[in-house]
Amino acid sequence: DAGVIQSPRHEVTEMGQEVTLRCKPISGHDYLFWYRQTMMRGLELLIYFNNNVPIDDSGMPEDRFSAKMPNASFSTLKIQPSEPRDSAVYFCASSPTTVQPQHFGDGTRLSIL
Amino acid sequence: SQKIEQNSEALNIQEGKTATLTCNYTNYSPAYLQWYRQDPGRGPVFLLLIRENEKEKRKERLKVTFDTTLKQSLFHITASQPADSATYLCALSFGGYNKLIFGAGTRLAVHP
Repeated sequence: DAGVIQSPRHEVTEMGQEVTLRCKPISGHDYLFWYRQTMMRGLELLIYFNNNVPIDDSGMPEDRFSAKMPNASFSTLKIQPSEPRDSAVYFCASSPTTVQPQHFGDGTRLSIL
Repeated sequence: SQKIEQNSEALNIQEGKTATLTCNYTNYSPAYLQWYRQDPGRGPVFLLLIRENEKEKRKERLKVTFDTTLKQSLFHITASQPADSATYLCALSFGGYNKLIFGAGTRLAVHP
């Protein structure tokens, strides 16, 4: 199995630009999660989907952040406009059913200058 | 307020010894507790899951305990090896939900 695939692995962009992060979950997994990891705040859940439907977006920091899952094999997390404080590592994870271990991708390291 | 606490300082141990990592929580009543390993530049990798009605779980050199009265989980690595050096994260989840709340992690360094 290929595992959870995230792209790009690294992204450097200037403040104010739109950023789009991409995730391909493991085939057959019904749940998809987006996390953000920083030194100060650790690993925080931003949003999660069940069967492509957003279930809990209470962790999305601001309206500048949006996430979509148009089909079972693809999700995007978009930041528009980006700000320097958005710099972090963003992880995508998937799991097959409720209360199952989550499988993480290797993340996108985002730097906003 | 709700908190999950893991040792913020790195744990340094000698190869062959048992490493013990602690996860304490307040104001939560989790149904499940999970432990993950994270290496630099990689995503977390699942290690063990323990349910609230289980006292202990083992997998090879790993052992997890879960004390819902003390609100504490201990994670043990026996016969530790330098390859066990990583950051270890505990995470709580709640019945009927797949949402995980992560601790900040403890960095373990095993020295030859």
